[in-house]
Amino acid sequence: GESVGLHLPTLSVQEGDNSIINCAYSNSASDYFIWYKQESGKGPQFIIDIRSNMDKRQGQRVTVLLNKTVKHLSLQIAATQPGDSAVYFCAENSNDYKLSFGAGTTVTVRA
Amino acid sequence: DVKVTQSSRYLVKRTGEKVFLECVQDMDHENMFWYRQDPGLGLRLIYFSYDVKMKEKGDIPEGYSVSREKKERFSLILESASTNQTSMYLCASSLTGFEQYFGPGTRLTVT
Repeated sequence: GESVGLHLPTLSVQEGDNSIINCAYSNSASDYFIWYKQESGKGPQFIIDIRSNMDKRQGQRVTVLLNKTVKHLSLQIAATQPGDSAVYFCAENSNDYKLSFGAGTTVTVRA
Repeated sequence: DVKVTQSSRYLVKRTGEKVFLECVQDMDHENMFWYRQDPGLGLRLIYFSYDVKMKEKGDIPEGYSVSREKKERFSLILESASTNQTSMYLCASSLTGFEQYFGPGTRLTVT
């Protein structure tokens, strides 16, 4: 079946550097994508989303890039901070109600 | 501020017991979801509901049932708990089916 997946299960980043978390999707009909952050002991929290009619969207210190040609999604975090240590999930909208989630990337920020 | 609450953060049950996990949202959302989260597998949808008394199977419904008698409450039921149902269970709600708001999760251990 079609699925959303992340390229790497873990990412270690030096504090102050930029982080890039990648995600590949296979459902070319998906028209909405979303990134979540899950800190230890908490439920996932919304970071940023993007529709398929856009290729870039910026939030506070975060940017999501969408490349529909190669079905690739990325999340960029500027000036990574210790509070950015978490598991990051990408998800795609596969029908009107449901989101399909990737396996997640664990980001560890080194001081 | 949006809020999704789950009845327990940690739960330990014995094999064969009937288990109820409760979820309440205060946002008047139509859609509610139950996921389980396991290492390396991301979030997998068990059941969802798009209206009171309406439910649909997700990707892994076997061994589970749900109940939605009121708009704000969505219950997950394990009819006869088994050890392979040891997991983190996450409830979510959404208005549109796109951005979902998650509860803090219930870590269930079945011994």
